[in-house]
Amino acid sequence: SQTIHQWPATLVQPVGSPLSLECTVEGTSNPNLYWYRQAAGRGLQLLFYSVGIGQISSEVPQNLSASRPQDRQFILSSKKLLLSDSGFYLCAWSVGNPPLGYTFGSGTRLTVV
Amino acid sequence: GNSVTQMEGPVTLSEEAFLTINCTYTATGYPSLFWYVQYPGEGLQLLLKATKADDKGSNKGFEATYRKETTSFHLEKGSVQVSDSAVYFCALSVPRWDRGSTLGRLYFGRGTQLTVWP
Repeated sequence: SQTIHQWPATLVQPVGSPLSLECTVEGTSNPNLYWYRQAAGRGLQLLFYSVGIGQISSEVPQNLSASRPQDRQFILSSKKLLLSDSGFYLCAWSVGNPPLGYTFGSGTRLTVV
Repeated sequence: GNSVTQMEGPVTLSEEAFLTINCTYTATGYPSLFWYVQYPGEGLQLLLKATKADDKGSNKGFEATYRKETTSFHLEKGSVQVSDSAVYFCALSVPRWDRGSTLGRLYFGRGTQLTVWP
């Protein structure tokens, strides 16, 4: 079966510290992968997407970066966190041409203090 | 451009009441439309979808019809339960060709918080 794993579930980090959130997908090959952020009281914003290994596109300028070292692994990073990076981060994947659906991870709630 | 406008919340209902959450969209091309649900502390789950005009998506008693003439995809349920309390997101996806792959990014509404009281 197709599943998506995202960790950690919650994270509290001080301002200026680094960040690494990981997302892995099972049961599918060559998925399109996405990182979304949900800030408090707001909708979901697409941060990054990837159509293949090493291929990353950014939707909005920001303090974060993403990498895809393996086909089914997608990592969200920051060298120095800002208070404004707090939010709920969701990884997702889609497969199909056009996409048949999207599966979301359970999310990581990041609080920068 | 592509965007989704969703009814502002919060919505508070008594159990067994009728639910409507309005959603309208603007899109270039031919979008697929989705409703996602987010239960407290969890990620998003697909509730239902429709891929072309006049399609009706349904699941768990919820329904939504893809109305191209009014560019709408309103979510309805005839009798809500306490367990339906969650945040509901309307979303659209328009396929886009990107470096040999069809990318279908989702455009979300802001979400509507639904609380159902017993």
